[in-house]
Amino acid sequence: EIVLTQSPATLSLSPGDRATLSCRASQSVRIYLAWYQQKPGQAPRLLIYDASNRATGIPARFIGSGSGTDFTLTITSLEPEDFAVYYCQQRSDWPPFTFGQGTKLEIK
Amino acid sequence: EVQLVESGGGLVQPGGSLRLSCAGSGFTLSNYEVNWVRQAPGKGLEWVAYSSGSGPTVAYSDSVRGRFTISKDNANNALYLHLNSLRANDTAVYYCTRGDYGSGPGSLWGQGTPVAVSS
Repeated sequence: EIVLTQSPATLSLSPGDRATLSCRASQSVRIYLAWYQQKPGQAPRLLIYDASNRATGIPARFIGSGSGTDFTLTITSLEPEDFAVYYCQQRSDWPPFTFGQGTKLEIK
Repeated sequence: EVQLVESGGGLVQPGGSLRLSCAGSGFTLSNYEVNWVRQAPGKGLEWVAYSSGSGPTVAYSDSVRGRFTISKDNANNALYLHLNSLRANDTAVYYCTRGDYGSGPGSLWGQGTPVAVSS
């Protein structure tokens, strides 16, 4: 089973800052990694699929990069609505479709 | 509007059973892969089960295999997750997700249905 490790667990930043979230896989997932955003009381929503492709309606400030075992989600200039929990998920080797444990992006 | 709607959650005693429903709206559910993902209170996301679109393929996580099963109801544009032999650590919000070709298993999410296992 592929294990995804996200870092940091919590990231404290201010609106307008640049956020960099990491997801590391225990073995190569090629490009088959997705990022999700979850706000309190809501279902997750897809932000990025296949490492770098923005889902429909996702703003350009969300940028996914990486391949193999190391992936990054960058939010270039944080908006107030971006403060949430972010998860990565792999679909390279399944079952299971494993998730990372999440990174909480909070307002500093 | 294209959406997924889950229902069927509730409070059940340990060892009990529930049937969760995932209904598609605005699209034909059987044309897509469907997954179930759960989230225990205050915890992260855990993939639980997979069903192929038109084919018979299903898959389950180790934690639920042998206790949970998926069935399809194409006439009602729905899919069910049957939860048996429930345990306290099955307590979670259960989401169904639609997988789109090329964009992966979590392209569309329902709002979730809560399951609480307690005596």
